[in-house]
Amino acid sequence: DAGVIQSPRHEVTEMGQEVTLRCKPISGHDYLFWYRQTMMRGLELLIYFNNNVPIDDSGMPEDRFSAKMPNASFSTLKIQPSEPRDSAVYFCASSLATGGDGNEQFFGPGTRLTVL
Amino acid sequence: AQRVTQPEKLLSVFKGAPVELKCNYSYSGSPELFWYVQYSRQRLQLLLRHISRESIKGFTADLNKGETSFHLKKPFAQEEDSAMYYCALGQAGTALIFGKGTTLSVSS
Repeated sequence: DAGVIQSPRHEVTEMGQEVTLRCKPISGHDYLFWYRQTMMRGLELLIYFNNNVPIDDSGMPEDRFSAKMPNASFSTLKIQPSEPRDSAVYFCASSLATGGDGNEQFFGPGTRLTVL
Repeated sequence: AQRVTQPEKLLSVFKGAPVELKCNYSYSGSPELFWYVQYSRQRLQLLLRHISRESIKGFTADLNKGETSFHLKKPFAQEEDSAMYYCALGQAGTALIFGKGTTLSVSS
């Protein structure tokens, strides 16, 4: 397995544009997580899914952010419209379960987003 | 509320010196604690978990329920240990809660 796959790896866009980040979790993992990493705030959980259903989106900063998981092998995080303060590294992670031995989260390489 | 606190944003040590990265948590039940590491420009990866009670790359961490701590220790730091370290708290049914991270810088 290639692990968690994210695309694009780098994205540079202008303020006001729509940005879509993509993630393919590890096959068989029931949980998918989206995180944002910044110097100031560290690693913040944005949203997570269980069996394609959003469970907790309380970390989504505002309505400009949305996430979907149409099937077990694909998820998107969309920002519309983007703003300079959205510049960060966005990580996707997946795990077999939450709690116990399945609790280890496997992270993707991240997408470095720069909004000018 | 569940919370993970890593009080140091940056820890700088010399090669061969002992290292202790601090992590404190607040949780009412039986916690699962983890340390994740992120080397420069790489993805986060699990370093160790308290239930395994193992030593990885010379690092150990002991869960102290009385002090609600899970500090990461290594007796002799190496330059290749330079990375960002995140402490995380896990519980069944919810996502891991991460601290803000500590950057470890080891210089020769």
